[in-house]
Amino acid sequence: KAGVTQTPRYLIKTRGQQVTLSCSPISGHRSVSWYQQTPGQGLQFLFEYFSETQRNKGNFPGRFSGRQFSNSRSEMNVSTLELGDSALYLCASSLVDSSYNEQFFGPGTRLTVL
Amino acid sequence: SQQGEEDPQALSIQEGENATMNCSYKTSINNLQWYRQNSGRGLVHLILIRSNEREKHSGRLRVTLDTSKKSSSLLITASRAADTASYFCATVLLGDSNYQLIWGAGTKLIIKP
Repeated sequence: KAGVTQTPRYLIKTRGQQVTLSCSPISGHRSVSWYQQTPGQGLQFLFEYFSETQRNKGNFPGRFSGRQFSNSRSEMNVSTLELGDSALYLCASSLVDSSYNEQFFGPGTRLTVL
Repeated sequence: SQQGEEDPQALSIQEGENATMNCSYKTSINNLQWYRQNSGRGLVHLILIRSNEREKHSGRLRVTLDTSKKSSSLLITASRAADTASYFCATVLLGDSNYQLIWGAGTKLIIKP
């Protein structure tokens, strides 16, 4: 089986712009979670989608949003980018429930905001 | 906020030695998971241990959980250069309807040849 894929792998944007990141989960996995990883804050949960519905959400501002499609692929969007949004964004998929089952992570998208 | 705190923050040992990392958490959990992250393979799940379990093994990995002390340890035996990575514990809080993994800051492990 192919692993979790994320596109693009690297992205450079300027403040005020918006960005869309994409994640394709492992075939058959219905749960997709998104995380932000920074040296200062570590790994922080953004949100989880299951069957096209947002099931859980972390403590991030409304500028961070996401969605999941019927084929379980997911996108996350960040609007009005700030310098502090520079981070590695990781997507993870799991078979059913992300909190109680093993999660499989993609390689991440490295976002740099200038 | 971080629920889990790993200790030590960094650990450097000789190849072949055992490495022990600890994770402490603040509130009761449903389960605790250990992950490894390195530049080559990204973030990889190692072991999930449930709150009613005390010990689990996977190959050279041994995880223990002490719910009375709210702590877990990860032991890597006979370390190899490929074990060089950052190790994270992540917890799922008990009774938390907003199921999510809460991550610690990680232990950076370096295996010297």
